[in-house]
Amino acid sequence: DVKVTQSSRYLVKRTGEKVFLECVQDMDHENMFWYRQDPGLGLRLIYFSYDVKMKEKGDIPEGYSVSREKKERFSLILESASTNQTSMYLCASSPRKQARDRGYNSPLHFGNGTRLTVT
Amino acid sequence: GQQLNQSPQSMFIQEGEDVSMNCTSSSIFNTWLWYKQDPGEGPVLLIALYKAGELTSNGRLTAQFGITRKDSFLNISASIPSDVGIYFCAQNYGGSQGNLIFGKGTKLSVKP
Repeated sequence: DVKVTQSSRYLVKRTGEKVFLECVQDMDHENMFWYRQDPGLGLRLIYFSYDVKMKEKGDIPEGYSVSREKKERFSLILESASTNQTSMYLCASSPRKQARDRGYNSPLHFGNGTRLTVT
Repeated sequence: GQQLNQSPQSMFIQEGEDVSMNCTSSSIFNTWLWYKQDPGEGPVLLIALYKAGELTSNGRLTAQFGITRKDSFLNISASIPSDVGIYFCAQNYGGSQGNLIFGKGTKLSVKP
């Protein structure tokens, strides 16, 4: 079974702090993602990475950065936390879709989330 | 950007009732995905649909890929308390990277 592990279930940080959210997956997946989940807004993609040292902006990258130094680990960084970044953060991974799998979506495997509160 | 319109936003039902929810978009898609998020956990894939008109079941869950390729339905028959959670439809929009966009979710509450 694929396991995606997020290092913290709950975090409380102060405004202006630098915050690191860590995610590790054990299935050698190429793709990794960070989403945030807010009531009434669903899941919104912050950043994703399709290979080591590669990163792409998602729909809401402002205020965030990411790091992918190793294949199994994808870190989300809040350079200077703000109260509007209070949210549930979900990490996910998936294998790279092969050309022969045209039309097939590899399922995302999610971690259990980190609930971040910025005060 | 692309948007998935999911409804209803929430449902409160009695155990044993059937449930229906749907997702629509102005864009045409080649697949539809349905995820469920149990309380306190990350979403898990329930059903994937790959062909317009396709009807796929997973236990008491049945999902259909609309013939216009712009919508999908998820039905749950004879609901039980463990059906509680948030159900999301999702679409791939990122080519081979597999990144998804999600609907806003349908929160299901089941009264025993």
